[in-house]
Amino acid sequence: SSELTQDPAVSVALGQTVRITCQGDSLRSYYASWYQQKSGQAPVLVFYGENTRPSGIPDRFSGSSSGDTASLTITGAQAEDEADYYCNSRDRSGKHPVFGTGTKVSVL
Amino acid sequence: QVQLQESGPGLVKPSETLSLTCSISGGSIRGYFWSWIRQPPGKGLEWIGYISNGDSTNYNPSLKSRVTISVDTSKSQFSLKLSSVTAADTAVYFCARCHDFWSTSSWFDPWGQGTLVIVSS
Repeated sequence: SSELTQDPAVSVALGQTVRITCQGDSLRSYYASWYQQKSGQAPVLVFYGENTRPSGIPDRFSGSSSGDTASLTITGAQAEDEADYYCNSRDRSGKHPVFGTGTKVSVL
Repeated sequence: QVQLQESGPGLVKPSETLSLTCSISGGSIRGYFWSWIRQPPGKGLEWIGYISNGDSTNYNPSLKSRVTISVDTSKSQFSLKLSSVTAADTAVYFCARCHDFWSTSSWFDPWGQGTLVIVSS
């Protein structure tokens, strides 16, 4: 089982805000990175570090962290944001990357 | 813009060795940590391991006994070998570039498109 826990699924109305959380002890020491994966495609980096959004990622994606929980927020969700989202950080040793369990986001 | 492309057999027999190669184009192989990540059908992502251009490797403890990752700097390629495969190793295998692994903030970008490997007789 993963050392990073995410809610299996969340839904959001079109244009509304949704927050996806990732919980794990390593998040007290390491920042999370976040990936969007649409069906049949490779994951795409959407946020990482304290406050960095890669070039080309809409500014409706933002990240934050508090204690053992990291969050990815989509403000004003669009239909194209419907996807699986994975967080990534470290295992308890800090030596190995680990991915979260993934959250399926549905835009209604 | 760096692009990654996985290649290798799509079907491997049980107990044999899975071998994949990731070709890097549009950028230097130096200064990064080159990773393999897999995703069984319908399941989540699992990090397999990485190699740096200095040939330093780091493997997922759950796979360490069966995994070898190597790099060919002259060809801008790195490779994965996974031995003694079973049906549980059936997955889409991705290669990806890892940035700043030894900082408190690391990330994977870009990713290859992925290649499906089925383990079956």
